[in-house]
Amino acid sequence: GAGVSQSPSNKVTEKGKDVELRCDPISGHTALYWYRQSLGQGLEFLIYFQGNSAPDKSGLPSDRFSAERTGGSVSTLTIQRTQQEDSAVYLCASSLFVNSPLHFGNGTRLTVT
Amino acid sequence: GQNIDQPTEMTATEGAIVQINCTYQTSGFNGLFWYQQHAGEAPTFLSYNVLDGLEEKGRFSSFLSRSKGYSYLLLKELQMKDSASYLCAVRDSTGGDYKLSFGAGTTVTVRA
Repeated sequence: GAGVSQSPSNKVTEKGKDVELRCDPISGHTALYWYRQSLGQGLEFLIYFQGNSAPDKSGLPSDRFSAERTGGSVSTLTIQRTQQEDSAVYLCASSLFVNSPLHFGNGTRLTVT
Repeated sequence: GQNIDQPTEMTATEGAIVQINCTYQTSGFNGLFWYQQHAGEAPTFLSYNVLDGLEEKGRFSSFLSRSKGYSYLLLKELQMKDSASYLCAVRDSTGGDYKLSFGAGTTVTVRA
């Protein structure tokens, strides 16, 4: 079947605007993760959803960041009042079970001007 | 959280062997993963270790020692296409969560 799908693939926005990034995980995968990767850097954990449990939000860098996962499937990462330091590639990943390998989408490249 | 350390860069010759080390500190270890990431692309899964020992998969092998908080990824018979960043990731199940944290990655350059 299809892999993890993210949209848009590229997003350019002005400082102060809100953006929404979408992730469609692999069908049947119970866990969904959001990471952020700045140029030349490693993956920074943002948030993790597992089934119907409360998400682990410990990686969200500020209260401008939020995420939801509707119906245990599609997830949206929202960044309010974007800042230039938010510019990065935002990667979504899903896994079948909690201890299964993660499968990554191709990411959304966010540029805040 | 975890402290995951791996070298920043390594260079090797086509056909050679390269070993990428990863050390970690975690209270609730629940598995170690290696991912490959080519420039501009998403990470792809290479290997998974949860018990001590060596896991071999073709030209790639991964080793784990839980008591030492240590893993390595071994790439044999290097090919030019192996030039990429290699990410070590550790899963921690403290508190019932299964967060996967990544190291900063090791950029491997394969020379002809």
